[in-house]
Amino acid sequence: SQQGEEDPQALSIQEGENATMNCSYKTSINNLQWYRQNSGRGLVHLILIRSNEREKHSGRLRVTLDTSKKSSSLLITASRAADTASYFCATPPGGSNYKLTFGKGTLLTVNP
Amino acid sequence: KAGVTQTPRYLIKTRGQQVTLSCSPISGHRSVSWYQQTPGQGLQFLFEYFSETQRNKGNFPGRFSGRQFSNSRSEMNVSTLELGDSALYLCASSLASGGAGNEQFFGPGTRLTVL
Repeated sequence: SQQGEEDPQALSIQEGENATMNCSYKTSINNLQWYRQNSGRGLVHLILIRSNEREKHSGRLRVTLDTSKKSSSLLITASRAADTASYFCATPPGGSNYKLTFGKGTLLTVNP
Repeated sequence: KAGVTQTPRYLIKTRGQQVTLSCSPISGHRSVSWYQQTPGQGLQFLFEYFSETQRNKGNFPGRFSGRQFSNSRSEMNVSTLELGDSALYLCASSLASGGAGNEQFFGPGTRLTVL
């Protein structure tokens, strides 16, 4: 079963706007990672946040983690058409130090 | 540093055949994980290899198998192909396991179509 669930499933915005995607997970985790996938290609790692961190920034990306609510959010500021992609959160399911379980992703479309 | 490479990139097979996919990880990476991606099920973990040992396996039938060589290159094999095996197969490498907080580097994938 899915460990992470992204919300919304799809998001369409205009260039320059901010995009926020949410991820909820079921079991305790030691870290949560966000990945991007351009249409039918491999995934690209964006950012990793550990369970003892609450917020992390990388360029135009901001990730928050609320372990009490078992949720995370990814904010992309000042979006560009090139940000159009699917975004996935990934977590190691409870007790696992090996595999990552991915949600079904949020499809972000940034219109020029 | 060269990225993760997967061969072949595209493959068309018929039901009942078998297929072998190859993955070369980033130099120095010892962990290789395989994922299946379909529109219906999303990204599903197949297995992970570390230093030639399978450390974890997803919920897939025994028709799916894999191995890792001493140079960390990995292969996965699917026997007796079914239509439902049509998918994008992604390989990811990392220094250690992805679940333990290590960034995974993905290859471009192999698009398998079963007719």
